[in-house]
Amino acid sequence: NAGVTQTPKFRVLKTGQSMTLLCAQDMNHEYMYWYRQDPGMGLRLIHYSVGEGTTAKGEVPDGYNVSRLKKQNFLLGLESAAPSQTSVYFCASRLAGGNSGANVLTFGAGSRLTVL
Amino acid sequence: EDQVTQSPEALRLQEGESSSLNCSYTVSGLRGLFWYRQDPGKGPEFLFTLYSAGEEKEKERLKATLTKKESFLHITAPKPEDSATYLCAVDNYGQNFVFGPGTRLSVLP
Repeated sequence: NAGVTQTPKFRVLKTGQSMTLLCAQDMNHEYMYWYRQDPGMGLRLIHYSVGEGTTAKGEVPDGYNVSRLKKQNFLLGLESAAPSQTSVYFCASRLAGGNSGANVLTFGAGSRLTVL
Repeated sequence: EDQVTQSPEALRLQEGESSSLNCSYTVSGLRGLFWYRQDPGKGPEFLFTLYSAGEEKEKERLKATLTKKESFLHITAPKPEDSATYLCAVDNYGQNFVFGPGTRLSVLP
């Protein structure tokens, strides 16, 4: 199994450009998440989804949009990139909540975005 | 507001020098506490889940323990390949997890 796959792995943008990060999982997980990771800040939640067709805001949603049209895919969009969005972005997924192995997060390898 | 802190921020050990990493949490409810390992340039990788105070889990040189306010990740006789950032996260019965900032561990040969 591939697990969680993120594309692209690296991208350089100019201020004001737009782009989309794609996250795909093949584990039939219900919940999917987008995080950003910056030095000294840890993982911060941008947006998440608890099922196909649903999305919700996380801790730092401004400047980002998401869509979950298919259960296996979760897209993160930047409409007008800013230098403050330079970061490493991680997608993660889990089967469900509850007291079991179903609530373990599986992460992708990350997408490094630089905005000049 | 639910919060997870980790200490120390960074730790350098000699190979074979045992130590512990701390994860302290203040949350409205605890469904589970998770430890992850993150290597440079990679995504976090799951290590352990702890569900209740007093619980312990072991894997090779790592042992995780949980109390009502904190968790420890004990590393016994570490090797250079144990060098990584260790992340702690809490499932507070919400739809998301609360992550700590991590501890960067370096094990020198």
